[in-house]
Amino acid sequence: NAGVTQTPKFRILKIGQSMTLQCTQDMNHNYMYWYRQDPGMGLKLIYYSVGAGITDKGEVPNGYNVSRSTTEDFPLRLELAAPSQTSVYFCASSYSILGGASGVYEQYFGPGTRLTVT
Amino acid sequence: AQRVTQPEKLLSVFKGAPVELKCNYSYSGSPELFWYVQYSRQRLQLLLRHISRESIKGFTADLNKGETSFHLKKPFAQEEDSAMYYCALSDWGGKLIFGQGTELSVKP
Repeated sequence: NAGVTQTPKFRILKIGQSMTLQCTQDMNHNYMYWYRQDPGMGLKLIYYSVGAGITDKGEVPNGYNVSRSTTEDFPLRLELAAPSQTSVYFCASSYSILGGASGVYEQYFGPGTRLTVT
Repeated sequence: AQRVTQPEKLLSVFKGAPVELKCNYSYSGSPELFWYVQYSRQRLQLLLRHISRESIKGFTADLNKGETSFHLKKPFAQEEDSAMYYCALSDWGGKLIFGQGTELSVKP
């Protein structure tokens, strides 16, 4: 059981380039999330998904896109990379402990992708 | 607005000293609160959640709705406790609202 895996681990992009950060989980969790972690700022939610085919914006979605065609995969796409997108990106998945959309969740995180845009 | 505040960026204590990492929240409903920890070069992992009222690695946290706080405590800090600690509030759909994080440094 690998849990949540992310690729690549590191990436340097030039301004204007695009790339896809991959995220896969093998725990059959319905809920998946993308966060970015900036120094001194904690983690901010970019996008999330409550199931295959369903995605929604988080707190900081501008400059990103996501898709969820399967339960396992939740890729994050950066179009036209900008220096402000330099960050560490974490993918996470969760299940509901008590059931339902308002239940209590425990999130499992991937190891992160460190992205630098220059 | 939903918000989590961790007022200390860095907390430095000596081994064996008590530790309290502060967390205050603002939430309109009934809050579900967590503490996550990130050790150096490791992924973020759940430390404890208020609903289970458990003690993990000697840490405890009590939800105080009157003071809207969820402070993390440990009576005797160990060097291996040095890490980044995040308090988080669970919103609808399991989305987490994180505080800014507190770096705990335990000195020998």
